[in-house]
Amino acid sequence: AQSVTQLGSHVSVSEGALVLLRCNYSSSVPPYLFWYVQYPNQGLQLLLKYTSAATLVKGINGFEAEFKKSETSFHLTKPSAHMSDAAEYFCAVRNTGFQKLVFGTGTRLLVSP
Amino acid sequence: DAGITQSPRHKVTETGTPVTLRCHQTENHRYMYWYRQDPGHGLRLIHYSYGVKDTDKGEVSDGYSVSRSKTEDFLLTLESATSSQTSVYFCAISESHGDFTGELFFGEGSRLTVL
Repeated sequence: AQSVTQLGSHVSVSEGALVLLRCNYSSSVPPYLFWYVQYPNQGLQLLLKYTSAATLVKGINGFEAEFKKSETSFHLTKPSAHMSDAAEYFCAVRNTGFQKLVFGTGTRLLVSP
Repeated sequence: DAGITQSPRHKVTETGTPVTLRCHQTENHRYMYWYRQDPGHGLRLIHYSYGVKDTDKGEVSDGYSVSRSKTEDFLLTLESATSSQTSVYFCAISESHGDFTGELFFGEGSRLTVL
């Protein structure tokens, strides 16, 4: 079965600094991978997705993620953090053959002025 | 925006009472899901549906049942609520009209407290 592991339940950065949120996947077949973002008191919304096309995926709000098969990783990055990026971020993998997603435990991003 | 409405948004109940959460969509989408969100666990799938009267279990289905008698409504029932079911419950739908793409749209959540 497919799964994802997010390293670090909390990440703190200063405004303008690089954002790096880590996600490693476990899958016996080429995975479909996703990053979702959750702002306070809201549901999740899709940030970006990888579906075996380009390995570097660009999403909304300046975020991007790179699929690295050799490292089984799909880390999320943003060159310059903004205060509005403070939220919880979830990595997810589609279970092949099943119509559902499996989510990681989430990483809360804190941005300080 | 996907039209998803969850009700109630907040509920406090006592152990042993039945609780039903409702998810209503206006998009006529095939796939609907119930997740629960708990600190340290992320989102875990409870049940999902791939059509009217077609449902299946997720990874944390014990103590929960679901029903989907109409395309637009997906009900989650706790037959006898326990304190371990205190959580935030999210409904999600998939815009897929054919193959599942993995893109989900979420409701705003229902916060349930079981005393």
